[in-house]
Parts: sequence; structure tokens; C-alpha cells
Amino acid sequence: DTGVSQNPRHKITKRGQNVTFRCDPISEHNRLYWYRQTLGQGPEFLTYFQNEAQLEKSRLLSDRFSAERPKGSFSTLEIQRTEQGDSAMYLCASTPWGARDTGELFFGEGSRLTVL
Amino acid sequence: KNQVEQSPQSLIILEGKNCTLQCNYTVSPFSNLRWYKQDTGRGPVSLTIMTFSENTKSNGRYTATLDADTKQSSLHITASQLSDSASYICVVSRPSGGGADGLTFGKGTHLIIQP
Repeated sequence: DTGVSQNPRHKITKRGQNVTFRCDPISEHNRLYWYRQTLGQGPEFLTYFQNEAQLEKSRLLSDRFSAERPKGSFSTLEIQRTEQGDSAMYLCASTPWGARDTGELFFGEGSRLTVL
Repeated sequence: KNQVEQSPQSLIILEGKNCTLQCNYTVSPFSNLRWYKQDTGRGPVSLTIMTFSENTKSNGRYTATLDADTKQSSLHITASQLSDSASYICVVSRPSGGGADGLTFGKGTHLIIQP
């Protein structure tokens, strides 16, 4: 296993278009997180899943944002009607929550979104 | 309110010099504190974890300290190298939950090592 995989790595889109990002976590990790990070800031929590259940969503996750993890494996983050303020790095992380969990988040390389 | 404050916001030092990054937190109850290194354009990678009972822990040229009484942690980098140029993010965990309240992120310290 090569770690958490995210794609696309870069996405440039026009305002108003929809975009979708995919995250493939480390295979035995049952918790998956989405974060947003803008330049010079730390990651901001968006949402997280325990297996296929979405346990919490941040207030940052407006109704234009939706995340899914249908089979408890990969996850998608969709942004509808993108706005320039959505430009950011979207980070996915996974962790083996439970007996083997040490609290360490394993991050992917991120998907950088630029909205023109 | 659970918060993590890091200082300085940015730091420039010459290659070979030492530096210390600070992390102060108000998170309660406390479970552990992690330092992550984030290279430009990459995801963060864990450097070290500090639990309540640990005061000092080293990982190569990186040494982390924790004072749980004053709720302060530091990350000391010895004999800096160009590859140390990155953002260093402090993350404090609470004992339960994994969402917004379970993990509190600092904004990071942006470190630049100049040759």
C-alpha cells in the first residue's frame, strides 16, 4: 500500500462549474477526513467518515459541498457552483480509528483547486 | 474555546543553525500533541507525538518538549538543513471524538532555511 491517494492533484475551473475530488485512503483505515487549507493557514476541518457513515460536518461545508464514502473505502468531495473563495488545497487523511489508532493522521498529497 | 497558537508565524535561518518553534494550546481535556511537517504543495507528515506523561522526545535532529501544566510545547531543530524548509503544524487531540472538536490544528510556522 502506497498511502493515501488523491486525484486530481490540480484542478482549474471556471466559477459556477462543479468539481469532484477523490480520495483513496490506506486500505485498513476506517476513518477518513477532509480538510481545506488556504495559503499560510493550517488545515480546516470539513467532514469525516467512520466507515461509510458521515459522522460530522463543519459549518464550513455549505450546501454546495457534499462528501460521500459509499462503501467505506474511497471518498469523493463534490463542490457545486464553484466560487472564487473555494480556491484552496483540499486534503484527505485517514486513520485506523480503534485499538490500533495512535491519533496519527495519514494525509494525501492534496488536491489544489483554482477557481477563475 | 479550544485553540492552538503557534509562534513565530514565519522564520528564516541560515543552514546549520538551530531554531525553536512554539505551540501553546487551550485544548481540554488533553490526549496528545503532534507535530507535523508539511513540505510546500504536499500533505502534512507526522514528526512526533507527545502524550501527557512525556516531557521530551527526539526524532533525529528534531526534539519536541511538552509542559502539560502550562500547556506549551516546542519543537527544536538542530543543525538545520535545506530540507527542513517547510511548515510545521501543531495538532492537539482530545480523548474522544475525531471531528472538529477532536483535533485542533495550529496555523503552522513557516520555516525557511537559507544556504
